[in-house]
Amino acid sequence: DAGVTQSPTHLIKTRGQQVTLRCSPKSGHDTVSWYQQALGQGPQFIFQYYEEEERQRGNFPDRFSGHQFPNYSSELNVNALLLGDSALYLCASSLRQVQETQYFGPGTRLLVL
Amino acid sequence: GEDVEQSLFLSVREGDSSVINCTYTDSSSTYLYWYKQEPGAGLQLLTYIFSNMDMKQDQRLTVLLNKKDKHLSLRIADTQTGDSAIYFCAESGLYGRGGATNKLIFGTGTLLAVQP
Repeated sequence: DAGVTQSPTHLIKTRGQQVTLRCSPKSGHDTVSWYQQALGQGPQFIFQYYEEEERQRGNFPDRFSGHQFPNYSSELNVNALLLGDSALYLCASSLRQVQETQYFGPGTRLLVL
Repeated sequence: GEDVEQSLFLSVREGDSSVINCTYTDSSSTYLYWYKQEPGAGLQLLTYIFSNMDMKQDQRLTVLLNKKDKHLSLRIADTQTGDSAIYFCAESGLYGRGGATNKLIFGTGTLLAVQP
């Protein structure tokens, strides 16, 4: 039973560029959430997708956008990258009817130069 | 507002018990969680407790919840060097349109160092 997978594992970009991160949820899960974890901090909620719609958004600018596909996988897009976007981006999946447990992937480490 | 606070660092000797503490502000929290993060890795769900419970035990882990004081603790019995990691406390409720989502609010994490 595959857990949550994310790609790529590491990424280096320069300021102003755009990036797309990918997440495949745990088998049987239908809900995907994205979190940003800056160095030395706890993860911060970006947004959550269910039934291919963004259900709630955290305190992140419109440069951060996402998508969920019919197979429940998800993408996180960040436009006009800033140095402060350097972080570990974590994807978490859950089952809508069992919302008390979210399982995290290994994350994508993004460095913006 | 939503806020979760933890102490930054805890050092224990191997074989001792560790107690990691957390306070939260959102009285509508539904579940409270403990996650473990090893260097360079994602988050591993250790255990969680429903807000109407005051204790949960799972092998070496004991979670205590004082809802009145909004205080959560994680006790690790017989701490091993493999327990060295950052431990995050998190709370969730129902948010968004019609209480539809369960975003997690995390603390800043407690670094547990286990001395051999």
